[in-house]
Amino acid sequence: DGGITQSPKYLFRKEGQNVTLSCEQNLNHDAMYWYRQDPGQGLRLIYYSQIVNDFQKGDIAEGYSVSREKKESFPLTVTSAQKNPTAFYLCASTPTGEGNQPQHFGDGTRLSIL
Amino acid sequence: GESVGLHLPTLSVQEGDNSIINCAYSNSASDYFIWYKQESGKGPQFIIDIRSNMDKRQGQRVTVLLNKTVKHLSLQIAATQPGDSAVYFCAGVLSGGSYIPTFGRGTSLIVHP
Repeated sequence: DGGITQSPKYLFRKEGQNVTLSCEQNLNHDAMYWYRQDPGQGLRLIYYSQIVNDFQKGDIAEGYSVSREKKESFPLTVTSAQKNPTAFYLCASTPTGEGNQPQHFGDGTRLSIL
Repeated sequence: GESVGLHLPTLSVQEGDNSIINCAYSNSASDYFIWYKQESGKGPQFIIDIRSNMDKRQGQRVTVLLNKTVKHLSLQIAATQPGDSAVYFCAGVLSGGSYIPTFGRGTSLIVHP
């Protein structure tokens, strides 16, 4: 079945540590997104990428970094500069060039501070 | 820009009742809207979408209504079941440019048996 796989499901970060969240899709979608979700909040956009080797900052990019070396993969690194990283992180993808389509989401990674 | 919000944070209904979840948007240039369902610990799942050239769209047990005059949309769930208990989000997309949906904060639907 096609879909988006996020790993790990739970992740713990120590002080001063960088951690990387994985997002892989086999939907052949061009665009991929990272969102942060805090309790009682909507989804806030961290980074997005519309094509391989290109990505743009979203609303809350500070303290995060991404890469898009392959169409299928869009990893997110939470750096030590992100002082409040505890949240639920969601990866999404969507096809482009076919008019508006709904995003497909993974099942998220919950990041906590040790 | 665009902001999208929901009127109520929590909606409690009895099993079998119809549920209505509301959403308001601020930018009249939004031309595509999506409703998602998110169960605890999972990612959002697509329920139904609607484009701005439509007022109403129906799916299986769900209907979305779009009122462009007052910039409001609603999700109606018929014969609500316990399995419908989840958080429901609306999202709006501005016409033209990059496909960047703006999400509302979500309404938690609680269905009592």
